[in-house]
Amino acid sequence: GESVGLHLPTLSVQEGDNSIINCAYSNSASDYFIWYKQESGKGPQFIIDIRSNMDKRQGQRVTVLLNKTVKHLSLQIAATQPGDSAVYFCAEAGGATNKLIFGTGTLLAVQP
Amino acid sequence: DAGVIQSPRHEVTEMGQEVTLRCKPISGHNSLFWYRQTMMRGLELLIYFNNNVPIDDSGMPEDRFSAKMPNASFSTLKIQPSEPRDSAVYFCASSILRLAGNLYNEQFFGPGTRLTVL
Repeated sequence: GESVGLHLPTLSVQEGDNSIINCAYSNSASDYFIWYKQESGKGPQFIIDIRSNMDKRQGQRVTVLLNKTVKHLSLQIAATQPGDSAVYFCAEAGGATNKLIFGTGTLLAVQP
Repeated sequence: DAGVIQSPRHEVTEMGQEVTLRCKPISGHNSLFWYRQTMMRGLELLIYFNNNVPIDDSGMPEDRFSAKMPNASFSTLKIQPSEPRDSAVYFCASSILRLAGNLYNEQFFGPGTRLTVL
């Protein structure tokens, strides 16, 4: 029979525009959140992280926003470039373990 | 720093054969994680070690899978016997575990091993 893979949400943006990738997390006890970028054929690469005592953190061209009230995380990429095209994963951690729980990912497609 | 090193990068084998995947974590890191990534199931944590000790192996699919970490600089993931449904990309990641302060830190991923079981 035909195999059904994960349906990745896709965000298509024009080069130079800002991108916002959203993530809903499940565990209200999670207190650490992280974004990864995965390019085709490569392993996930760390972008930025945030702890639950913060609601915003900025990096180079990227900003992560955390809304604990609604359990929502977002990644904003300023002036999106073709090299930003990749799958972006959010992950959460909490409790007594140091393992990360990954979301299903969002495909960002940057149109030149 | 060379980052996390995995070998082989590609492995093609026949059903029933034993497969061993290898990982060298970043020097100084004391947590090591094995993941599997497929189109069907996404990125799944199989097992992780803190200070060479297995902490959580609840993600290991079945008894055909086993993992070891004999020392701080080397880990293996073994599948015996392999089956076509084991075909996937297997990633190893490492991080620093601190016993005080912030428990969580970013994990650094290796390039992965693409396994194909025919």
